[in-house]
Amino acid sequence: DAGVIQSPRHEVTEMGQEVTLRCKPISGHDYLFWYRQTMMRGLELLIYFNNNVPIDDSGMPEDRFSAKMPNASFSTLKIQPSEPRDSAVYFCASIAGQGVSFDTEAFFGQGTRLTVV
Amino acid sequence: AQKVTQAQTEISVVEKEDVTLDCVYETRDTTYYLFWYKQPPSGELVFLIRRNSFDEQNEISGRYSWNFQKSTSSFNFTITASQVVDSAVYFCALIAGGTSYGKLTFGQGTILTVHP
Repeated sequence: DAGVIQSPRHEVTEMGQEVTLRCKPISGHDYLFWYRQTMMRGLELLIYFNNNVPIDDSGMPEDRFSAKMPNASFSTLKIQPSEPRDSAVYFCASIAGQGVSFDTEAFFGQGTRLTVV
Repeated sequence: AQKVTQAQTEISVVEKEDVTLDCVYETRDTTYYLFWYKQPPSGELVFLIRRNSFDEQNEISGRYSWNFQKSTSSFNFTITASQVVDSAVYFCALIAGGTSYGKLTFGQGTILTVHP
């Protein structure tokens, strides 16, 4: 399997612009997570989905952030409008659903480094 | 609420030295799960090991070993005979029982630099 695939790897945008980050989870995994990594806050969970349904979005910082999972193989994280403080590395991760337990490891993508200028 | 503390922000060693990365966790749950992830310079997070709160057995995998002690709420990671390829950021993480699969609480990470 190719693993969790995220695109783009790097994104530079101007403040106020809309940004869309993309994620393709591992085939057969039915849990999908979006994490954000910053120097100040470290790695924090933004939102996660189970079977394409958002389960917990309590980590989404503001209404400017939204996430969708239209099907089992694709998810987007959108920021509109973007601000310089949104600059971070955004990770997508997935977990196998069948036989999942609390100690099932999450598989992470390589992340998207977002810079908002 | 749960919390993971990695007090060592950065560690620098010379190749072949042993190095221990500390991890202290906090949770009120009696059932919980601990993980270590490695983030090499390429950026992705790579799973290394998991432990549940009922299994205090220490584990060794090649040059890597883990020491889980419930009495001190610690889950430390030791690299024996370190190599330059071990240079990375290492994260300790926790899932408390009753939360959700994959809902990891991460420590701040320890940057390990191994010099030749």
